Amino acid sequence: EDQVTQSPEALRLQEGESSSLNCSYTVSGLRGLFWYRQDPGKGPEFLFTLYSAGEEKEKERLKATLTKKESFLHITAPKPEDSATYLCAVQPISNFGNEKLTFGTGTRLTIIP
Amino acid sequence: DGGITQSPKYLFRKEGQNVTLSCEQNLNHDAMYWYRQDPGQGLRLIYYSQIVNDFQKGDIAEGYSVSREKKESFPLTVTSAQKNPTAFYLCASSLDGVDTEAFFGQGTRLTVV
Repeated sequence: EDQVTQSPEALRLQEGESSSLNCSYTVSGLRGLFWYRQDPGKGPEFLFTLYSAGEEKEKERLKATLTKKESFLHITAPKPEDSATYLCAVQPISNFGNEKLTFGTGTRLTIIP
Repeated sequence: DGGITQSPKYLFRKEGQNVTLSCEQNLNHDAMYWYRQDPGQGLRLIYYSQIVNDFQKGDIAEGYSVSREKKESFPLTVTSAQKNPTAFYLCASSLDGVDTEAFFGQGTRLTVV
């Protein structure tokens, strides 16, 4: 069974204080790993897709990296508007045509001005 | 603007009543999904559809039903058989359901009173 574990559950940072969020996963074969941002009471917003170990993607202050067992979302010099819950999801390779996403429970990030 | 529209944003239901949540997309995506989100849990898949007039059960389909009569529409009915329906419901779509990321609507918060 596919599993996704995100840590920490919650993280409070001062504005400008860089850090990383972790997503550990277990999947028989990885088709893709996805990062989303979710604001309170809203739907998740797509950030990145990573497909293979060693891949990196960047968007503004965020950089996502991938190894064979985990992914990191690095946030550099965060601003208060980066406060949100960050979700990680994995999509397995399947022979049945139903490559469903498995989501982690998220990391709630708070950036203090 | 292309996107996914869920309605209503808030919904109240009496116990024993069925209720239907609307999801419409104008992205020309083939695949559509319904997820349920509860505090402290990852998103859980209720139903998904990869093509018109076809849909599959997800991990927690009991007490729910769907239809996919049109490509752009994927309504979810929460029936009286659903034991604990109070939750945040999210609809999503993706281009082909395999190699592309999912885009989410803004969600419907259902409360049973």
